[in-house]
Amino acid sequence: AQSVTQLDSQVPVFEEAPVELRCNYSSSVSVYLFWYVQYPNQGLQLLLKYLSGSTLVESINGFEAEFNKSQTSFHLRKPSVHISDTAEYFCGEVKAAGNKLTFGGGTRVLVKP
Amino acid sequence: DTEVTQTPKHLVMGMTNKKSLKCEQHMGHRAMYWYKQKAKKPPELMFVYSYEKLSINESVPSRFSPECPNSSLLNLHLHALQPEDSALYLCASSHIIGGLGEKLFFGSGTQLSVL
Repeated sequence: AQSVTQLDSQVPVFEEAPVELRCNYSSSVSVYLFWYVQYPNQGLQLLLKYLSGSTLVESINGFEAEFNKSQTSFHLRKPSVHISDTAEYFCGEVKAAGNKLTFGGGTRVLVKP
Repeated sequence: DTEVTQTPKHLVMGMTNKKSLKCEQHMGHRAMYWYKQKAKKPPELMFVYSYEKLSINESVPSRFSPECPNSSLLNLHLHALQPEDSALYLCASSHIIGGLGEKLFFGSGTQLSVL
């Protein structure tokens, strides 16, 4: 069974509108959580990660994600998207003391003018 | 230099061919990874090298043969592939193997087509 679930395979959104990408993990042990972004014809780039401490983590380009242990979620949000945010977004987890990054199925964000 | 460089960017090969994918990084990373990504799917881990030794093999068929000749280079040798092996092959590296939440640096990938 997949341990990381991204509930939306595609999210169309208008420019300057907010967006939320949902991610749920199923691990019962401590995990490290990540969001990676893949622009067309490129590899993946780390957007942000949660290891411990503050449950709200932010990236330099306006994205933020909140770790919610009770709901086993790590949803990604941005209050106002740009055309350049059009990409595939992958949620990932590494189990504590583990060494394998496992991705969810991905969410394709299409920002429309 | 914060790049992971993969060559070639595109590769078309027949089922009887032998080819190699190459990956290079000069960030001093001691963990290197091969991922396979089918269209519209997430990357799936294939192999992990830690300090030039194979650490993880995710039950990958033997027609894929990884090699880590030194700490900067990672190769994936291909032989007798099947059409279903067509995919984007991504190389990644990190300072150490990922248990402490290490950031992975990905290359742009090699788009492989097996005819």
